[in-house]
Parts: sequence; C-alpha cells; structure tokens
Amino acid sequence: DVKVTQSSRYLVKRTGEKVFLECVQDMDHENMFWYRQDPGLGLRLIYFSYDVKMKEKGDIPEGYSVSREKKERFSLILESASTNQTSMYLCASRGTGKTYEQYFGPGTRLTVT
Amino acid sequence: QQPVQSPQAVILREGEDAVINCSSSKALYSVHWYRQKHGEAPVFLMILLKGGEQKGHEKISASFNEKKQQSSLYLTASQLSYSGTYFCGTSSGGYQKVTFGIGTKLQVIP
Repeated sequence: DVKVTQSSRYLVKRTGEKVFLECVQDMDHENMFWYRQDPGLGLRLIYFSYDVKMKEKGDIPEGYSVSREKKERFSLILESASTNQTSMYLCASRGTGKTYEQYFGPGTRLTVT
Repeated sequence: QQPVQSPQAVILREGEDAVINCSSSKALYSVHWYRQKHGEAPVFLMILLKGGEQKGHEKISASFNEKKQQSSLYLTASQLSYSGTYFCGTSSGGYQKVTFGIGTKLQVIP
C-alpha cells in the first residue's frame, strides 16, 4: 500500500529553535513536496524536490529550507522557528511522467510558542 | 497566485447535487481536484488536462474550460461520505508545481 509518513503528528517548539520535519515515502517517487495548511488560506506550497539533492522554491519559501539526501526522504527545516510558523505541515510525493496523483502524509501539527 | 474557489461552503441533503467552481487568472495546463476529510490527508480525485484528457473518480465528474481558465467539479446524488473540504489545484506548465485554492467545505446531511 502506498505510504507517506511524517515523523511527528504533533510538535511543540519554542521561538528561535531549529526545527526539523521529516517525510519518508516508500513508493520510489522522484517528486516530493512540502505544504502548509492554514484556515482560510488552503494548501500553500513551501518547497518541492524533483530529484535527490534538487529543490525548488514554492510559493512561500521564506523562513524555510529543505534537504533531500536520499530519494525516499525529504526534510523541512525551520532555521529559527517563529510563532507565525505555527501551522499544519503536509508532505506529499508523486511519480514522474503522466502520474499526476500526489500522495499526502498525515501531517504534522506544529505549534511554536 | 492561488485559484479562486466558489462557493466557500455548502450544505447538502443526501441525494442532492452540488457544483464547485475553480478559476484562475493564469493560462492553465492542468486542474487537479482533491478531497480532504476532517483530520485526514487530502486524497486525489481527478485531474483535467489541457486538450481534454481526464483521469479520475468514477462517481464524480468535472469540466475544464481552457479558454476561461475555469474548472467545475460535479457531485451528483451526494452521499454522506462526500463530506469534506474540496481543493482545486492548478498548474500552468509541467506537473511539478500545483497551486491550490483555499478549499470548499461541503457537508452532506441526512
């Protein structure tokens, strides 16, 4: 069964901390994505990666960075967490070519206090 | 720029039909539809491609007007299981970057 897993369902961090959100997929997908979901704002793309060590900025990359050292793993990094980064973070993956479906992970609810 | 969805919310009785609209200010290559149930991850429903190709869900249909940069999702004879938030996503080229709207919350009641 297709699976995208995220390291934590809930996370509480303090302002200024460095935060790592991990995402792992077992489908051998080339493309991986990080979104944040906020009420009234929908799903907004932060970064995506189309291959190992490759990354591209999405619509709201400010304050975030990413790392993809292995095909199955895509990490989102908050270098210095701020309260406005409190949100639900969703990871997704997709294959190449005419495979359009993105598979989403269960999400990480991050609270920055 | 995010596509605009309408309505933002709708309540239906079982068996009723609904239409959710999605429009973009950019020329579109593809429109993607997802449904997210409360507390769950979004799940793919359908994609519509420029040129007419369509892949998706057996009980839900959609249209794509390329000239108007609009898509509509048609839910017919709604069931309780249709409840959730529906997102449209648009892409202006290629497959990687999909920009999602803010969603339409649909509730089906008995």
